[in-house]
Amino acid sequence: SQTIHQWPATLVQPVGSPLSLECTVEGTSNPNLYWYRQAAGRGLQLLFYSVGIGQISSEVPQNLSASRPQDRQFILSSKKLLLSDSGFYLCAWSVQNLDTQYFGPGTRLTVL
Amino acid sequence: KQEVTQIPAALSVPEGENLVLNCSFTDSAIYNLQWFRQDPGKGLTSLLLIQSSQREQTSGRLNASLDKSSGRSTLYIAASQPGDSATYLCAATTTQGNTPLVFGKGTRLSVIA
Repeated sequence: SQTIHQWPATLVQPVGSPLSLECTVEGTSNPNLYWYRQAAGRGLQLLFYSVGIGQISSEVPQNLSASRPQDRQFILSSKKLLLSDSGFYLCAWSVQNLDTQYFGPGTRLTVL
Repeated sequence: KQEVTQIPAALSVPEGENLVLNCSFTDSAIYNLQWFRQDPGKGLTSLLLIQSSQREQTSGRLNASLDKSSGRSTLYIAASQPGDSATYLCAATTTQGNTPLVFGKGTRLSVIA
């Protein structure tokens, strides 16, 4: 069966510090991968998605970047965090671009 | 651009009641519509997926319907239980553009014992 992991589960970082969130998927090959952010009162926002290694599409301009160094690994990064980067970050995967998406447990990021 | 709206934002019902959660979308050219459940501080769990060619899907006490012409989907929960308390999100994909899923802001459901 397929599983998706995210770490860390929670993170408190000062403004201006770097960020690296990791997501890995097990039990499948060549998944589509997604990063979402859920901010209070704003719903889920798609940040990045990837259909293959090294292929990243960005949905909104922002302070964040994503990379996919391996088939089942998706990393969300920032060089300098802003207060507005606080939120709940969710990674998801799907077999095909438009089919059911399966979500990880999320990372709660607080920028102080 | 697809927009998804969920009303109400919050709902409180006594245990045992049947209830309906509403979801509306602006672009009727959807590929599929999904309903998710999210418990506080947790990720999303997929509940039901309705393809654009379907009108409804059922899983246990849950039934989701889709009316593309009116731009609406409903999630019906029968005989609600306290364990159903969570936030329910709907999300749509369209056949146009590159955005895989567009989410509503969710309905926070509380089932009171």
